[in-house]
Amino acid sequence: AAGVIQSPRHLIKEKRETATLKCYPIPRHDTVYWYQQGPGQDPQFLISFYEKMQSDKGSIPDRFSAQQFSDYHSELNMSSLELGDSALYFCASSPTGGLLSLSTDTQYFGPGTRLTVL
Amino acid sequence: AQSVTQLGSHVSVSEGALVLLRCNYSSSVPPYLFWYVQYPNQGLQLLLKYTTGATLVKGINGFEAEFKKSETSFHLTKPSAHMSDAAEYFCAVNFGNEKLTFGTGTRLTIIP
Repeated sequence: AAGVIQSPRHLIKEKRETATLKCYPIPRHDTVYWYQQGPGQDPQFLISFYEKMQSDKGSIPDRFSAQQFSDYHSELNMSSLELGDSALYFCASSPTGGLLSLSTDTQYFGPGTRLTVL
Repeated sequence: AQSVTQLGSHVSVSEGALVLLRCNYSSSVPPYLFWYVQYPNQGLQLLLKYTTGATLVKGINGFEAEFKKSETSFHLTKPSAHMSDAAEYFCAVNFGNEKLTFGTGTRLTIIP
């Protein structure tokens, strides 16, 4: 079965550089979530999109932005990178089936992008 | 306040012994509960979930969990541990607002 695809799998950047992470959801999943997992930490919710519109926002820095495109893939753009941004970034997708079922669907996670900021 | 607590950041069990990983939550609304497993340098894999219905849910790899509303718990169990079960386990809760809130994780070590 198709899974969530994330690219790149590994990314090394210098401080103050920019990075773009991509996420391709499972086919027919219309909701995408982004999470950040710092070293030894639990995943923290950043932002989510449903039908190309932002649906929820968590502890995402203003330096980060994200969007979902017409083919439902999503990109997380990170600017002015800091050492503390080094983490594993997960994308998850779910088949919401409409807003009323939004909160109950299982989220399926991708393998993550490991970002290292030097 | 809504929260998820995993008791024991590290749990060690002997191969063949019972695995019990604890998860408690605090919620003002009916929660939707999940267990995910993370192997080293890998993503999060869904083990099992509870949304509605039967409170004892069975997942992959022989794991199961029971939702106990009176105890606000969703502990994960497996009757007989296998070496391949060594991993980090996360309890996660959807408090009805779409995003998942994770516990701090429990690292399971299997002793040969």
